[in-house]
Amino acid sequence: KQEVTQIPAALSVPEGENLVLNCSFTDSAIYNLQWFRQDPGKGLTSLLLIQSSQREQTSGRLNASLDKSSGRSTLYIAASQPGDSATYLCAVPGSGNTPLVFGKGTRLSVIA
Amino acid sequence: KAGVTQTPRYLIKTRGQQVTLSCSPISGHRSVSWYQQTPGQGLQFLFEYFSETQRNKGNFPGRFSGRQFSNSRSEMNVSTLELGDSALYLCASSPRLAGADNEQFFGPGTRLTVL
Repeated sequence: KQEVTQIPAALSVPEGENLVLNCSFTDSAIYNLQWFRQDPGKGLTSLLLIQSSQREQTSGRLNASLDKSSGRSTLYIAASQPGDSATYLCAVPGSGNTPLVFGKGTRLSVIA
Repeated sequence: KAGVTQTPRYLIKTRGQQVTLSCSPISGHRSVSWYQQTPGQGLQFLFEYFSETQRNKGNFPGRFSGRQFSNSRSEMNVSTLELGDSALYLCASSPRLAGADNEQFFGPGTRLTVL
């Protein structure tokens, strides 16, 4: 059964700092991994989708890497801004081709 | 292209009542998945519908059910509401069956409060 863990659960950084969010998964036989952003009480916004054949994906100040063999992904945020404050979730397809299994998320606060 | 829409956005019910939530997927998407999000359990998969058929089901009691219409719109129903059903209910759509190499797109959610 696929399980996803995100560390840390919460993170507070000053504006301008570079930061890394971590995601690990137990079953490395995944097709892809998605990173999402969720603002309080809102739905999920897809940030990056990494296919299993890819090592990383970039979008603006965000860079996500994937190491299938070790069951890990990282989300790197460069030059953080207060507007980046949100909960970041990673998710992978479940075992048996079921839809997504999510981590509990990392709650990020960027202090101006 | 319009995103995934969910109605209503907020709902307050009392224990024992039933509720129906609606989800309209992105045009052309045939798969709709439903998730429940609570502070304690995080995001958990409820079920997935594709071409009007339930294709996958999560570990939830039979009080939770759903259906999909020929236009791919989906509804989920929760009967005999319990306090623990208070949650944010999210639906997601994708062009094909979820999983594999298929990206999912999420709606804004319906916040259900059970009193």
